[in-house]
Amino acid sequence: DVKVTQSSRYLVKRTGEKVFLECVQDMDHENMFWYRQDPGLGLRLIYFSYDVKMKEKGDIPEGYSVSREKKERFSLILESASTNQTSMYLCASRPPMGGQETQYFGPGTRLLVL
Amino acid sequence: AQSVTQPDIHITVSEGASLELRCNYSYGATPYLFWYVQSPGQGLQLLLKYFSGDTLVQGIKGFEAEFKRSQSSFNLRKPSVHWSDAAEYFCAVGAGSNTGKLIFGQGTTLQVKP
Repeated sequence: DVKVTQSSRYLVKRTGEKVFLECVQDMDHENMFWYRQDPGLGLRLIYFSYDVKMKEKGDIPEGYSVSREKKERFSLILESASTNQTSMYLCASRPPMGGQETQYFGPGTRLLVL
Repeated sequence: AQSVTQPDIHITVSEGASLELRCNYSYGATPYLFWYVQSPGQGLQLLLKYFSGDTLVQGIKGFEAEFKRSQSSFNLRKPSVHWSDAAEYFCAVGAGSNTGKLIFGQGTTLQVKP
């Protein structure tokens, strides 16, 4: 069965802290994605990776970075957390086939920055 | 640029009533279209997808969607809603590259009255 896991369901951090959100998939997928979800805005793509050590900016990359050292793990980094980064963060993965392939989502991490 | 619009932010239906959630997309070529559902506190689960062939697509949990190219729509339907269908529903369009990027709509929250 498909499995995408995220390291934390809930996180509370202080402004200025460095924050790591971890995502692991067990499906040997090449493509992985980080989204943030905010009410009324749907899901917005932050970064994605189509292979180990390969990454591309999504629609809202400012204030974030990512790391993909191993195929199964994709990390989202908030270099200096700010209150406007309080949000729900969702990770997804999918195989690198045609555009019709499904993205599989993790349960999400709800981050509160104080 | 590709975009997805879900005109209804919030819908309330009675249990047993029929349901239709609207989705309009903007995309130059033949789109790959998806409907996802998010139950409270959970990640996204794929309900159904369309990429070619029959324009009426059957999904899980008794949902179906119809692709209408002339109207740029991909509306989700269910003939009889159950209380467990209360959730947030997202329509998405594939961004047209092999990376599998998706553009999501803003989401529609479904409330089911007993």
